[in-house]
Amino acid sequence: GNSVTQMEGPVTLSEEAFLTINCTYTATGYPSLFWYVQYPGEGLQLLLKATKADDKGSNKGFEATYRKETTSFHLEKGSVQVSDSAVYFCALSNSGAGSYQLTFGKGTKLSVIP
Amino acid sequence: SQTIHQWPATLVQPVGSPLSLECTVEGTSNPNLYWYRQAAGRGLQLLFYSVGIGQISSEVPQNLSASRPQDRQFILSSKKLLLSDSGFYLCAWSYSGADTQYFGPGTRLTVL
Repeated sequence: GNSVTQMEGPVTLSEEAFLTINCTYTATGYPSLFWYVQYPGEGLQLLLKATKADDKGSNKGFEATYRKETTSFHLEKGSVQVSDSAVYFCALSNSGAGSYQLTFGKGTKLSVIP
Repeated sequence: SQTIHQWPATLVQPVGSPLSLECTVEGTSNPNLYWYRQAAGRGLQLLFYSVGIGQISSEVPQNLSASRPQDRQFILSSKKLLLSDSGFYLCAWSYSGADTQYFGPGTRLTVL
């Protein structure tokens, strides 16, 4: 079956530090890969996505590259801000019965301190 | 533009009471709709999804049910709540045949 494994948190960084959150996946076929972000008390927001091998998704200074050879989709940001404090979820999509279903990792909580 | 609404935002219910959570989508037609539950420390669990009016697929057997009485309305229900039903319930939508899902603000349910 499909699965997503994320590095366990929480991750605490100082402002302007470099961020990496590891994500690896197991899937049949060629899934699309996503990063979602959840701010405290809110729903999930799509951060970025990639649909095929070697694609790079990017948004708001965050980047992730679809690596099929290592089945990975690590999230990176060069300089984090306090406002980036949130829970980050890696996910993959697989189709079934006319609908795409997302399989999520357990989430990584990021805290950025001034 | 498309927007997704959920209500109520928070709910506290006693064990054994009924439940009805509502989700509506605006600005699109014939969306796929999804219900997820997020329990503390356990990530997101897909509960139900729907590709059209009256069409519901269940992912996890439990005391919850879902209905889609209108094209852009998705309802999550229970006849008798359990303590284990506590959690954060998220509704999501996607374009028909597309893989990107967009989430609502969620409902925080506490069963006492």
